[in-house]
Amino acid sequence: LAKTTQPISMDSYEGQEVNITCSHNNIATNDYITWYQQFPSQGPRFIIQGYKTKVTNEVASLFIPADRKSSTLSLPRVSLSDTAVYYCLVASGTYKYIFGTGTRLKVLA
Amino acid sequence: GAGVSQSPSNKVTEKGKDVELRCDPISGHTALYWYRQSLGQGLEFLIYFQGNSAPDKSGLPSDRFSAERTGGSVSTLTIQRTQQEDSAVYLCASRYMGQETQYFGPGTRLLVL
Repeated sequence: LAKTTQPISMDSYEGQEVNITCSHNNIATNDYITWYQQFPSQGPRFIIQGYKTKVTNEVASLFIPADRKSSTLSLPRVSLSDTAVYYCLVASGTYKYIFGTGTRLKVLA
Repeated sequence: GAGVSQSPSNKVTEKGKDVELRCDPISGHTALYWYRQSLGQGLEFLIYFQGNSAPDKSGLPSDRFSAERTGGSVSTLTIQRTQQEDSAVYLCASRYMGQETQYFGPGTRLLVL
């Protein structure tokens, strides 16, 4: 099974760009990488998804190198409301879905 | 439209009792997932349904755990003879076929005394 690892925590200041990297070895060839945001006492919420290279939406960018063994979530100009836990998700083999260990982001004023 | 709903939102039970957790996925979503999140921990994958079928049940923590899905819609996760280590938030997610995004419910917080 794939093992996904992320930094445990990160601190940032408002207005800065934050980059969170997830390492995922043994990712399956056809599987996507998805990032979720989770606030306390809530279920995870979808942020962005990609397969390779770069994907950008209105809230984030996702960078995936050619070997796809890692991915980096980029949050531009974070605000206090971005304080949350961020998880990467990859499918691992058939019918198994492995979340990363989660990165607790704290945005400081 | 309505999102994924789960019931009950909170459940307190005594060790040794059976509990049943329910998930109502988004209408039309054929894939359904169960995860477990222990206090302060990450998300642990339990089981995946495509329609009413679960191809691989090896993610369930023990034989006290079982899950079923009927009519391609509602799913129940049953824990028999609950133990204190079963205390966690149980999250359900659903996905539309052809898309990769999972939509999560609010979870059921289970406390086994």
